[in-house]
Amino acid sequence: AQSVTQLDSHVSVSEGTPVLLRCNYSSSYSPSLFWYVQHPNKGLQLLLKYTSAATLVKGINGFEAEFKKSETSFHLTKPSAHMSDAAEYFCVVSVYNFNKFYFGSGTKLNVKP
Amino acid sequence: EAQVTQNPRYLITVTGKKLTVTCSQNMNHEYMSWYRQDPGLGLRQIYYSMNVEVTDKGDVPEGYKVSRKEKRNFPLILESPSPNQTSLYFCASSLSSPTGFSNQPQHFGDGTRLSIL
Repeated sequence: AQSVTQLDSHVSVSEGTPVLLRCNYSSSYSPSLFWYVQHPNKGLQLLLKYTSAATLVKGINGFEAEFKKSETSFHLTKPSAHMSDAAEYFCVVSVYNFNKFYFGSGTKLNVKP
Repeated sequence: EAQVTQNPRYLITVTGKKLTVTCSQNMNHEYMSWYRQDPGLGLRQIYYSMNVEVTDKGDVPEGYKVSRKEKRNFPLILESPSPNQTSLYFCASSLSSPTGFSNQPQHFGDGTRLSIL
């Protein structure tokens, strides 16, 4: 069975400090992995996706994620948080054999001035 | 502009009064899906469609219907809404399903907030 676990429901950082949002997945097959961001009253926007071409994936707004197969992880990072990064973030997995996307429960990022 | 459009954005209604939430995409995407988002539960899939006239149940289909008569439209129908269907709903589309071309992300609408009294 496929599943996604976002290890923290809330993360709080100060502006200018690094961001780490953790995601672990379980899959019997090679997964496709995505991170989305959701700002209040908005839909989900794609931040980045894992394409299997490179394990370190760069996305929009300075975010990046590293695929670690041995750890079944796909953590999202950003070197320096900005106030505009405050939002909810979702890790999503899909696999070739199944017609659906598997969502983590989300991590709310709070950025303090 | 490539987009997924949902209507209405907000709706307050009463138990038992049939309602339809429309979803339209202008990207010629094959795969479309409906999700509901509830606090602490993330997004749960209600129904999805692989292509015209091909639909299937997601994780929480009870109380909902869908249809896919045209590629661009995927309406969500609540025949007899109940208070437990009060939620934030999202429509999404992607070029193909996960079993098609890999790594195709989904594009989301801005959501429909339904309140059923």
